[in-house]
Amino acid sequence: DSGVTQTPKHLITATGQRVTLRCSPRSGDLSVYWYQQSLDQGLQFLIQYYNGEERAKGNILERFSAQQFPDLHSELNLSSLELGDSALYFCASSAEPETLAGVTGELFFGEGSRLTVL
Amino acid sequence: GEDVEQSLFLSVREGDSSVINCTYTDSSSTYLYWYKQEPGAGLQLLTYIFSNMDMKQDQRLTVLLNKKDKHLSLRIADTQTGDSAIYFCAESPLYSGGGADGLTFGKGTHLIIQP
Repeated sequence: DSGVTQTPKHLITATGQRVTLRCSPRSGDLSVYWYQQSLDQGLQFLIQYYNGEERAKGNILERFSAQQFPDLHSELNLSSLELGDSALYFCASSAEPETLAGVTGELFFGEGSRLTVL
Repeated sequence: GEDVEQSLFLSVREGDSSVINCTYTDSSSTYLYWYKQEPGAGLQLLTYIFSNMDMKQDQRLTVLLNKKDKHLSLRIADTQTGDSAIYFCAESPLYSGGGADGLTFGKGTHLIIQP
């Protein structure tokens, strides 16, 4: 158990809909990352938050947005869903201090939320 | 841009050594990692190596880094059925910010163990 909790584990929805994925990081971790895993694209970095602020953006579509709340949990919002958005969405957290450039790079991953768009 | 390449599949017999290879393109990579993903689970860090090291050994795991060729390998000695998983190579470039943002992963190598 990594200590990172993601809900829901599975989600089936239709094209054009909007969903919200939720992540609770490990206790004390300030950084939250979102990744998308699909068979053809592999594991793609979407976005990172540190202590409520956006820190880095990867290959995140404009239809997607995220936020990190004062209690450090994070939500990833996916809207106007398309078939190609079907994937496993991982949240990860890390204990990296803001000023330290990835000392170990250890990310603690949740078990993922599997999104199926029909 | 950054790119990390790995073979998609590797099949080995139980008890043999497994060698999973990875190439990367970012010459400023500071840290290189191996993550393991078991079925139905998230990724878990197996080991990492600093870019100024050539080798790191941790029990059955040996990581070799050829910085000149930008080639990283993970050797698993005496491969067991429990080693069956997807193994991801990842690299972290040197940048002015903090944290592990922008960690670039390969697509993962599926390690298949034959009895």
